[in-house]
This record gives sequence, structure tokens and C-alpha cells, in this order.
Amino acid sequence: DAGVIQSPRHEVTEMGQEVTLRCKPISGHNSLFWYRQTMMRGLELLIYFNNNVPIDDSGMPEDRFSAKMPNASFSTLKIQPSEPRDSAVYFCASSFLGNQPQHFGDGTRLSIL
Amino acid sequence: GQQVMQIPQYQHVQEGEDFTTYCNSSTTLSNIQWYKQRPGGHPVFLIQLVKSGEVKKQKRLTFQFGEAKKNSSLHITATQTTDVGTYFCAGRSGNQFYFGTGTSLTVIP
Repeated sequence: DAGVIQSPRHEVTEMGQEVTLRCKPISGHNSLFWYRQTMMRGLELLIYFNNNVPIDDSGMPEDRFSAKMPNASFSTLKIQPSEPRDSAVYFCASSFLGNQPQHFGDGTRLSIL
Repeated sequence: GQQVMQIPQYQHVQEGEDFTTYCNSSTTLSNIQWYKQRPGGHPVFLIQLVKSGEVKKQKRLTFQFGEAKKNSSLHITATQTTDVGTYFCAGRSGNQFYFGTGTSLTVIP
């Protein structure tokens, strides 16, 4: 039973570069969440989708961040241009319904130099 | 804006001692979930509470949802070193979903 799959696991890039994080939710789940975790700010919800439609993107920091869910089995979080303060662990999670338990991926550890 | 706060932020206990973390919301929640994140890992779902005043137990863990559905607690009896990690509550209010600030538990053997 495959869980939530995120790629890459680690990303190190220079500031100004475009970064794309990928997520494959658990099959059959119709809600998908993107989180960012840092020591300073803890675990922050960036955006979540229900049935591929963004429901709440109030946590998206600024226009440099964008998220898409073109189909039920794939989502991306893009940062363009990246900045050092974007360095964090980014988690993707999915659930069967929006209020059901969330299953988290292993995260992407992003470092912007 | 809406926030879900947890206290304490950090807790160090001697192995065998009890531990409690409290979760408080500024608005009424439709449900509360609890997650545990081990160091270097990802949050893992523990339990969900839905009803006002609900209490659930999982072995040494006791979870409670307040009568007003604005607060919750997690109590661990006789902590073990395997309990180390950060415990998060998470609540839903309408279409908004909030993770608490987390309580980091250290258990000293």
C-alpha cells in the first residue's frame, strides 16, 4: 500500500532558480495539502485542494509560490524565483475527505543558497 | 486571525513521569486531530475527536475534546523514551484547517 510520495527528497539550489516539488497522493484520496515546516514558524499549511480544486490558499506566502493539481494523482508546488528564506522542509499530505486523517509524505528538504 | 496554540512549546520529563499538552483554538472546531512527529520524520496521525466532551484512549495516551469544542488535551501516562517527538493538534473550522504550534517532548532515560 503506497503512501504519499514526494520528490525530490532533497534539493539544494541557488537563489533565483526555479524549484518544483512534486507529490503523488494516496490513490482514492480526494484532498491534498501542502505544508512548510521550519524551526522558526513550525508547520504551516500553504494550500489545500479538494477534488483537484484549490480550496484555501491563504497560507501561500507570496506570488513566488504557486501550486497546481492537474489530476487526482499529481500535484506540484513551484517557487520562482527562490530565495534563501524559502529553505524548509515541504510536506505533502492527502486524505480521503478534507476532515479525515491526513497521511504525510516523507517531505522535501529544500535548501536555497 | 484564527490560531491554534499549544502549550507548552517544549517539555522535558524523566522517563516514567506523566506528560500533558494542551491545544486551544480561538474559534469552535468541527473536529480535532492529533499527530506525532518523530525527529527527522513526518507527522503521523494518532486520533480524531469529533464530539463535544469526547474522551478517547490509546494505551497510555488519553485524548480529550473540550465541551465548547475549542480546546483539547493529550495526556501520556508513564512516559517512555519511544514517546519522544513533537505532538501536534489540528482542527477544522469550516473550510479552514489549522495545525497547532506543537509541543516537543523530550524523555530523559
